[in-house]
Amino acid sequence: AQKVTQAQTEISVVEKEDVTLDCVYETRDTTYYLFWYKQPPSGELVFLIRRNSFDEQNEISGRYSWNFQKSTSSFNFTITASQVVDSAVYFCALYGNNRLAFGKGNQVVVIP
Amino acid sequence: EAGVAQSPRYKIIEKRQSVAFWCNPISGHATLYWYQQILGQGPKLLIQFQNNGVVDDSQLPKDRFSAERLKGVDSTLKIQPAKLEDSAVYLCASSLELGSLSSGANVLTFGAGSRLTVL
Repeated sequence: AQKVTQAQTEISVVEKEDVTLDCVYETRDTTYYLFWYKQPPSGELVFLIRRNSFDEQNEISGRYSWNFQKSTSSFNFTITASQVVDSAVYFCALYGNNRLAFGKGNQVVVIP
Repeated sequence: EAGVAQSPRYKIIEKRQSVAFWCNPISGHATLYWYQQILGQGPKLLIQFQNNGVVDDSQLPKDRFSAERLKGVDSTLKIQPAKLEDSAVYLCASSLELGSLSSGANVLTFGAGSRLTVL
């Protein structure tokens, strides 16, 4: 069975600070994909990033970066220089065996 | 490109009543998903279609929930009779066909959701 754990529930930061969201996953699949989605107050889930299980290269995309470590089954996500518009719930998700499973989400509050 | 359309956005019903939600996926997306998101939790998959066939409905409470995707495009999710614990946001999502070699094959695009309140 697939499982995604996001331990933190709510994280508050002051604008321009960095915020890192932790994600730990469990799967028996050898091929899988990891995602981060953002859910702003409007409610629509927005795709942010995807990483497949064979590519542990960490990248930066604008103010977003991620740290994928297969050895510890972690896929952490960082927002650099946070802005008020980053206030949202962020979900880590695992895609394997044709199913996308979500964690419980991290509520990020950016204080101006 | 038009997104995933859902309606209604909000619905309030009393327990034991019935309700139906509609979803129109992105054009060309063969795979359609219905997720249930209870307040404070992550979305949970209810049912997944590939064209008009069911791929996974293992978490669908079949005694009260049903879904169909006639003609492999639009889909309807029905709850009858509703219970208090069905209060949630029902999210529809679509993606390219499962097994597609496209790099975006397993990226789900979500609609804005239908918020159900059962009193």
